[in-house]
Order: sequence, then structure tokens, then C-alpha cells
Amino acid sequence: GDSVTQTEGLVTLTKGLPVMLNCTYQTTYSPFLFWYVQHLNEAPKLLLKSSTDNKRTEHQGFYATLHKSSSSFHLQKSSVQLSDSALYFCALSPDGNEKITFGAGTKLTIKP
Amino acid sequence: EAAVTQSPRNKVAVTGGKVTLSCNQTNNHNNMYWYRQDTGHGLRLIHYSYGAGSTEKGDIPDGYKASRPSQENFSLILELATPSQTSVYFCASGDWDSYEQYFGPGTRLTVL
Repeated sequence: GDSVTQTEGLVTLTKGLPVMLNCTYQTTYSPFLFWYVQHLNEAPKLLLKSSTDNKRTEHQGFYATLHKSSSSFHLQKSSVQLSDSALYFCALSPDGNEKITFGAGTKLTIKP
Repeated sequence: EAAVTQSPRNKVAVTGGKVTLSCNQTNNHNNMYWYRQDTGHGLRLIHYSYGAGSTEKGDIPDGYKASRPSQENFSLILELATPSQTSVYFCASGDWDSYEQYFGPGTRLTVL
């Protein structure tokens, strides 16, 4: 079946440093990939989405590129802020259908 | 902006009791979803619906039933609650064309 793997459960960084959160996936279909962000005691919200191979997509300073050759959709930011502390989920919709499979999530903590 | 509400926000239930979690959306979305969130597992899909009168099993449906009496409302029912169902439950709505899901604020359920 379809699956999403996020290798880091917890990432702690100092403000101003770059970050990359890893996401790889498995599906036999043409995928839509998403990054959702969940701040403490809030609902998850969509951060980024893409279905186009090798095209960078950006939002709120975060960016990601879908690489179908390596089944990856890593999330990056060049300089993290305190407000970026949150739980980040990578998610997959095979062939853009109605079901989304979420990864286990990466908790990002930014220190002053 | 999309509006998804859930009730109750917090619930304590006894083992073997019946629990009903309610979700309402004002987005006029066709699709609605119920997830549970547990540390280390991310968001896991329990049941979903394509529209009024329809319910489909998600990835972890055992021990749960769902009901979609109208476009706006989607309920999750635990007929015989067990302590393993202690979790945070999120409802979401979405539509075919945007691939984005809009989440409610969550319900924290504790089964004693």
C-alpha cells in the first residue's frame, strides 16, 4: 500500500539556521505530495502541495521540490524563526484521489 | 475561510460506554474525514464520506462507526469505548478540485 516516511521524529535548531525535514514516499500511482503544519494545540493546516516533478513550490518561506525519481519531497527553509516551532507532517494522495496518507510527523523546535 | 467545528472539545468516557463525536462544516465540501492523532503515528484515517448518506472505511476503522446525515454533518461513533481509543480526534473536510483538507480544532477523548 501507500506509505510516507519521515525519518526525523524531533529536530532542534537555533534561530537563523537552515532546516531540511526529510520525506520519502511509496506509491504505484502518480502522487500529490503535501506538507501540513500543526502548531501547539491547533489544527493541522496545509503549508505546501505539489504534483509536478522537479518543480520547486514555496510558501511562507518554506519550499520543497517533488522528485519522483527518488520518491522524495523534502521541506526546507533557509533561516528558521521561533514561530516555526511546530509539528510538520508530510502527506501523500495517490493520483490526487480523496484519501491522504500522513507520515508520522517531525517535531521542529527552534531555540533563541 | 474554511470552517470546521467539532463537539465536544474534550470528553471523558468509561470503558464500554457509547461515545459520539460530532463534526460540522460550512464549506459545502463533498468529502469529510475522521482521523485520530497519536504520538509516533501521525494522523490515521478512520472513516470518510463522499457526501450525505455515504461512509467509507479508512485505514483503521475497527471499533468505530460513522454517520453522514447531511452535507454539513459527520459523526464518529464508538459503540463500546476502550482505553486504546484514548486519543485526539480530528475531523476534516475537502473537495475534489483542491486536494486540500481543512481540519477542525480536534476533540480530546479519554476512555477510563
